[in-house]
Amino acid sequence: DQQVKQNSPSLSVQEGRISILNCDYTNSMFDYFLWYKKYPAEGPTFLISISSIKDKNEDGRFTVFLNKSAKHLSLHIVPSQPGDSAVYFCAASTGNQFYFGTGTSLTVIP
Amino acid sequence: KAGVTQTPRYLIKTRGQQVTLSCSPISGHRSVSWYQQTPGQGLQFLFEYFSETQRNKGNFPGRFSGRQFSNSRSEMNVSTLELGDSALYLCASSLDARQFEQFFGPGTRLTVL
Repeated sequence: DQQVKQNSPSLSVQEGRISILNCDYTNSMFDYFLWYKKYPAEGPTFLISISSIKDKNEDGRFTVFLNKSAKHLSLHIVPSQPGDSAVYFCAASTGNQFYFGTGTSLTVIP
Repeated sequence: KAGVTQTPRYLIKTRGQQVTLSCSPISGHRSVSWYQQTPGQGLQFLFEYFSETQRNKGNFPGRFSGRQFSNSRSEMNVSTLELGDSALYLCASSLDARQFEQFFGPGTRLTVL
C-alpha cells in the first residue's frame, strides 16, 4: 500500500526553465514532508522540507508547496541546471517512520 | 565529519543463504534506519534503531532483522535469502529519534542468484 506516490517516473526540462516535481499522499496524519535527491551510486541527500503547518518553504532555487486539502506537494526548481539531473524522492513522516515515493528521474537538457 | 558508511558496497549471494550488512552512522548520531530500494517500489522502511533498541519496524517478514551496538553502529541480517531480496539496502542516520533530517549512506547492492 503506497501511501506516498510520485506518478511521473521521469521528467525532462530545458536548462533555465522551471522543473515541477509532484507527489501525492493518502495519510492525513503525515506532519512533515521532505524531498531528497539521489545521484547514481550515492545515497539520497536531503534537499528541502516542509511542516504540515506551512504551505510553502523556499531555499534558494528550490521551493516546496504543500496543499493539504488535496494531499499534494510539489517541488519547484527555478532555474533548472544540468547538475539538477538526478532522481528526486518525496517522503512523508508521521513522526514514527518515513514513507517514500518511488522517485522521479529529472533530466535537465543543456 | 565523515558521512554514513556502509559495508560491503556490493554483495552476491545465492538463494537460501544469509547475509549481514553493516552501517556506521555519522559520529554522534544515535538513530539508524534501514530501507530497501527496489525498482518501482521506492524506498521501503525496514526498521529503526535508537540507543540499541528497535523503535519502529516496517512491514517485512521476520527473515529481516537488525541490531544496534553501543557505539550506534548497526547491522542488518537477512536469512534464507530469496530472489526478491535483490535490492539496494540503504542505511540512514539522524541525531536523535524523531529527527526529521536523515543522512543516507551509499547503500549495499545485494544480488541474490
